[in-house]
Amino acid sequence: AQKITQTQPGMFVQEKEAVTLDCTYDTSDPSYGLFWYKQPSSGEMIFLIYQGSYDQQNATEGRYSLNFQKARKSANLVISASQLGDSAMYFCAMRAGAGNNRKLIWGLGTSLAVNP
Amino acid sequence: DTGVSQNPRHKITKRGQNVTFRCDPISEHNRLYWYRQTLGQGPEFLTYFQNEAQLEKSRLLSDRFSAERPKGSFSTLEIQRTEQGDSAMYLCASSLGGQGAYYGYTFGSGTRLTVV
Repeated sequence: AQKITQTQPGMFVQEKEAVTLDCTYDTSDPSYGLFWYKQPSSGEMIFLIYQGSYDQQNATEGRYSLNFQKARKSANLVISASQLGDSAMYFCAMRAGAGNNRKLIWGLGTSLAVNP
Repeated sequence: DTGVSQNPRHKITKRGQNVTFRCDPISEHNRLYWYRQTLGQGPEFLTYFQNEAQLEKSRLLSDRFSAERPKGSFSTLEIQRTEQGDSAMYLCASSLGGQGAYYGYTFGSGTRLTVV
């Protein structure tokens, strides 16, 4: 079965420090993609970063980087130099399988609070 | 084109009433997804369209739910005889399908439904 696990319901970080949000996944498909989204209290899902299963290097997007460990089936999000505006829910999601439907399977999310 | 638009943003309805939500995807995106997100959970897949064809429906989509995408443009999601358990955020996402490993998804701001 395909599954995303986020084991940290809530995390706190001091402004300007780095924080790691954990994500493990389970799939038997050789081709898959891993996403991280940010959801502020307004509700919209904001795309942060993507990692393909065949990508050789870890993805980076500005202050966001993805620590992809394929053998351990983990795809942790690292946010460097946290800002107050980073306070939000963070979701890890997986797109798996071939075919036309590229639906996403989601974790339960991690609530991040950045303290001044 | 400013992204995926969902209307209304909020809807309060009495139990037993019918409601309809609308999603306007990014114009060149041929794929459209509906997800439902309840409090404290990650989004759950409801249904998927490629152009005007509804290609997959989740078992979550009971016979009270119907979705359409006439002419492959905007989509509507209707819930008949609403129940309190239908209270949730309904998220719409669109993407451009085709060859290649990465399919980006753009989400709307969601419609928050409250059934009283």
